[in-house]
Amino acid sequence: EAEVAQSPRYKITEKSQAVAFWCDPISGHATLYWYRQILGQGPELLVQFQDESVVDDSQLPKDRFSAERLKGVDSTLKIQPAELGDSAMYLCASSKPGQGEDEKLFFGSGTQLSVL
Amino acid sequence: GESVGLHLPTLSVQEGDNSIINCAYSNSASDYFIWYKQESGKGPQFIIDIRSNMDKRQGQRVTVLLNKTVKHLSLQIAATQPGDSAVYFCAENKEDDKIIFGKGTRLHILP
Repeated sequence: EAEVAQSPRYKITEKSQAVAFWCDPISGHATLYWYRQILGQGPELLVQFQDESVVDDSQLPKDRFSAERLKGVDSTLKIQPAELGDSAMYLCASSKPGQGEDEKLFFGSGTQLSVL
Repeated sequence: GESVGLHLPTLSVQEGDNSIINCAYSNSASDYFIWYKQESGKGPQFIIDIRSNMDKRQGQRVTVLLNKTVKHLSLQIAATQPGDSAVYFCAENKEDDKIIFGKGTRLHILP
């Protein structure tokens, strides 16, 4: 069964350093999402892409976070500089566009970020 | 009760019994709802979904009930097994395929 691929699985960094996460969605999925999940809470949407275009980045802290999906396939989420409060699980998800069951999201295993 | 920060609501169920996990959603315009299961260290996994034109949908050992009048969603798991131990999240499609997650519930299975 096709899966959403994310790397790295774990990342430890010091504050003020730059970090980057990579996501490869399921083939054919035009919509890609980045979520942040703090321990004990539900995933929080950071950014949503439709193909290569950003659909929603209203919750993305744009002073330090950036996301791109240049060719409308894989995506990179960057944090620069990292802060202690950025420690969380960063989840990537993808879905087909449209109605019905195609709306459901398929998640990757996430990148667990620890900022020291 | 409400969960704040690290304090997830926890439901403890005897193995073999049925589990019912509840969720209140916020937007009366939401038309699509999903339940996800998340095991420790993993991403959320799709369980079952329901559209707003339905009030019940059944899957394998799971049933989702939707009450639009009170904006309430529930997940019923029949004959709960140890492998059902996880955190369960409801999610709603508010607009433009924007999927918003609610607060989770931790399901703990008693032997």
